[in-house]
Amino acid sequence: DIQMTQSPSTLSASVGDRVTITCRASQDINRYLAWYQQRPGKAPALLIYKASVLESGVSSRFAGTGSGTDFTLTITSLQPDDFATYYCQQYNTFSYSFGQGTKLEIK
Amino acid sequence: QVQLVDSGGGVVQPGGSLRLSCTASGFTFRRHGIHWVRQAPGKGLEWVALVSYDENDKYYGDSVKGRFTISRDDSKDTAYLQMNRLRVEDTAVYYCARWEYGLDSWGQGTLVIVSS
Repeated sequence: DIQMTQSPSTLSASVGDRVTITCRASQDINRYLAWYQQRPGKAPALLIYKASVLESGVSSRFAGTGSGTDFTLTITSLQPDDFATYYCQQYNTFSYSFGQGTKLEIK
Repeated sequence: QVQLVDSGGGVVQPGGSLRLSCTASGFTFRRHGIHWVRQAPGKGLEWVALVSYDENDKYYGDSVKGRFTISRDDSKDTAYLQMNRLRVEDTAVYYCARWEYGLDSWGQGTLVIVSS
């Protein structure tokens, strides 16, 4: 099975900052990667699919890059609503594994 | 609008069984694969199972393979997760989700507690 590793596990930042979260796959997954945001007590929400395609209705402050094994999610001009936990998910194989999550906290 | 409603969670003893339901509305259910994803208390997301749009393909995570069965009834716009031989470590909120180009719509989650 494909293992997904995110870093960092926790990230502290301030409103207005730019942050980057990294996701690494244990083998080549082409561009079959999605990013999700989860706020406390809520279901996850899709942000990006196919590594860089923004889901409809998602702010352009979110951007995804990468292919193969290394991917990044960048959030610019952080807003209060952005402080949440972020997950990557691969869908190159039928195991659909998630990364362990990155919690974005207010500094 | 697109909506998924999860139900069927509860408290069950180890070794017991439970069936979760995921009822859809606001879209053509038979055109989409449906996934189940779970989240143990204070932990991250774990992918559980997938049923394809035509029910021809079903896939499971390693931790539930052989114990859980996913299915769907398009006449009822509902997907199911039959969970047998439940273990304490299956305790989690279970979400169903629709697959488009990612998991683009999610249910609200239903809590399963496995405890003696």
